Amino acid sequence: QKEVEQDPGPLSVPEGAIVSLNCTYSNSAFQYFMWYRQYSRKGPELLMYTYSSGNKEDGRFTAQVDKSSKYISLFIRDSQPSDSATYLCAILTGGGNKLTFGTGTQLKVEL
Amino acid sequence: EPEVTQTPSHQVTQMGQEVILRCVPISNHLYFYWYRQILGQKVEFLVSFYNNEISEKSEIFDDQFSVERPDGSNFTLKIRSTKLEDSAMYFCASSPGQPTPYGYTFGSGTRLTVV
Repeated sequence: QKEVEQDPGPLSVPEGAIVSLNCTYSNSAFQYFMWYRQYSRKGPELLMYTYSSGNKEDGRFTAQVDKSSKYISLFIRDSQPSDSATYLCAILTGGGNKLTFGTGTQLKVEL
Repeated sequence: EPEVTQTPSHQVTQMGQEVILRCVPISNHLYFYWYRQILGQKVEFLVSFYNNEISEKSEIFDDQFSVERPDGSNFTLKIRSTKLEDSAMYFCASSPGQPTPYGYTFGSGTRLTVV
């Protein structure tokens, strides 16, 4: 079983839509759950991270973690064309410093 | 905003040659990393480096690879005897401490093409 699984998409939505991006993970030892945004031929850029179950909100972005089902989500409200990118979920173990990434979901927000 | 700088942005090398990828991490960070991303695949951890030694490495990071912090600012990845399958984006990252995602910052990457 892969450590982190993510639907690669692509996902195409109209401007203003609510976007839901999801990942599942297998290792209960994971403690930090992150979402990165990656534009073409650029490095991953940290959007948000959470430590425990529940929601964390930052502007139009909400990260949600359900540790009981090992499920993490990123919601984007009022999506904009500038949100078009690949979104990567990543997990950081509490005892280490290695990030384990999902495959990334390619999002396109159309006018 | 502080950033991680990588050079060159693109490097083409012949199979069998050695390459050195360079990175300047954020100045007050203590942990340094290399990741790679083969086209169309996920970002994969290669190695982490702390206090002038490797703290963790993946199965990918075999004897073909080495890392070095030759001075107070640079962090390098050396790939000996490159193979076609080494073609990928290589990302350097740094973080101020562990284990927290806070400040875990990636550079823009070096695209390595082995021909």
